Amino acid sequence: KNQVEQSPQSLIILEGKNCTLQCNYTVSPFSNLRWYKQDTGRGPVSLTIMTFSENTKSNGRYTATLDADTKQSSLHITASQLSDSASYICVVSVSKAAGNKLTFGGGTRVLVKP
Amino acid sequence: DAGVTQSPTHLIKTRGQHVTLRCSPISGHKSVSWYQQVLGQGPQFIFQYYEKEERGRGNFPDRFSARQFPNYSSELNVNALLLGDSALYLCASSLGTSGGTDTQYFGPGTRLTVL
Repeated sequence: KNQVEQSPQSLIILEGKNCTLQCNYTVSPFSNLRWYKQDTGRGPVSLTIMTFSENTKSNGRYTATLDADTKQSSLHITASQLSDSASYICVVSVSKAAGNKLTFGGGTRVLVKP
Repeated sequence: DAGVTQSPTHLIKTRGQHVTLRCSPISGHKSVSWYQQVLGQGPQFIFQYYEKEERGRGNFPDRFSARQFPNYSSELNVNALLLGDSALYLCASSLGTSGGTDTQYFGPGTRLTVL
């Protein structure tokens, strides 16, 4: 069964500090992995997307890593800001031949405190 | 240029009724996907449409159906509503030309409450 597990479920950090979110998946056949940021009550916004051959990708203060061998990904937030408070969702896609289905993780809720 | 738009923003229905949710993709996008997000959980994939054809289906009962129109807008229909159908329904659009790696842009969602 295709699954995406994220940890921790929630996280509180002080403004200016760094944090790392984890994502483990069992999705197969793997096509790509995406990280989204979702503010409360709004639709998710794409941060990064990585294919099998990519092991790191950055978007400003967000850096995602991918280890396709161990089926793990991480999202690192550098120098957190209050606006980083949101849910971060890891999404893994199966290949086009397998239907292009996306499996979403449950998300990590991040709260940045001043 | 407008982003993905969804209507209505909020909806209250009673059990057994049916509902139609609408989505307009970003101009030029040919792929639309629908997701259900229950409070406190990540979105669950329902359908993907590309060029008016269904390209993917999640594990949802047949009460859920969708279609895509020639202008690439889409409707999600849910029949015989259950309390458990209460959720935020998200629509996402993408160009749909990259074999699955193109970025999806989400709309604000429709909050459905079933009483």
